[in-house]
Amino acid sequence: NAGVTQTPKFRILKIGQSMTLQCTQDMNHNYMYWYRQDPGMGLKLIYYSVGAGITDKGEVPNGYNVSRSTTEDFPLRLELAAPSQTSVYFCASSSSAQSYGYTFGSGTRLTVV
Amino acid sequence: AQRVTQPEKLLSVFKGAPVELKCNYSYSGSPELFWYVQYSRQRLQLLLRHISRESIKGFTADLNKGETSFHLKKPFAQEEDSAMYYCALSDTRPGANSKLTFGKGITLSVRP
Repeated sequence: NAGVTQTPKFRILKIGQSMTLQCTQDMNHNYMYWYRQDPGMGLKLIYYSVGAGITDKGEVPNGYNVSRSTTEDFPLRLELAAPSQTSVYFCASSSSAQSYGYTFGSGTRLTVV
Repeated sequence: AQRVTQPEKLLSVFKGAPVELKCNYSYSGSPELFWYVQYSRQRLQLLLRHISRESIKGFTADLNKGETSFHLKKPFAQEEDSAMYYCALSDTRPGANSKLTFGKGITLSVRP
């Protein structure tokens, strides 16, 4: 019963490098989300998807890209890493019946130096 | 625009004391509200939902539409309740895709 799986758990990037944060879920959820968590700021929505092939911007999308080729996977791409992207990133999923809430992954702690 | 406000960053209480974590919201539609909890070095997990009117781990939360509040309460705090707590609001308007807006969170510290 894996739920939402994120990899890697930790990563250090140099300014200007790129990377992909992986997220996969095995609950057949249509909705998937990427949030970043910064101290004292709560969680901010980066991108979300309501199904395979459909993505949309959240509150803080600049510097990120996403794709959703399958129901299970929702990777987050950082093309040119900047220090402002140092954060903890959480992927989440939910069924169409939102009243059941989100299931979160364990997070990726990213440091850009 | 919808907004969730958690006015305090930290609440420190002794074991056995009552706890109230405040949450206020601003939303034009019919709100769906949640409390999430994040224990040290663990993932966020759903604690409770207002529509289920349930009690989880001794915690309850009542939606007060008049005061636009959804405060989380527990009569007797335990040390294992120490965690970060987030209040969240779901955007239920058509086309909004039920995105959650989170408050900034509050750290609850329960001392022995």
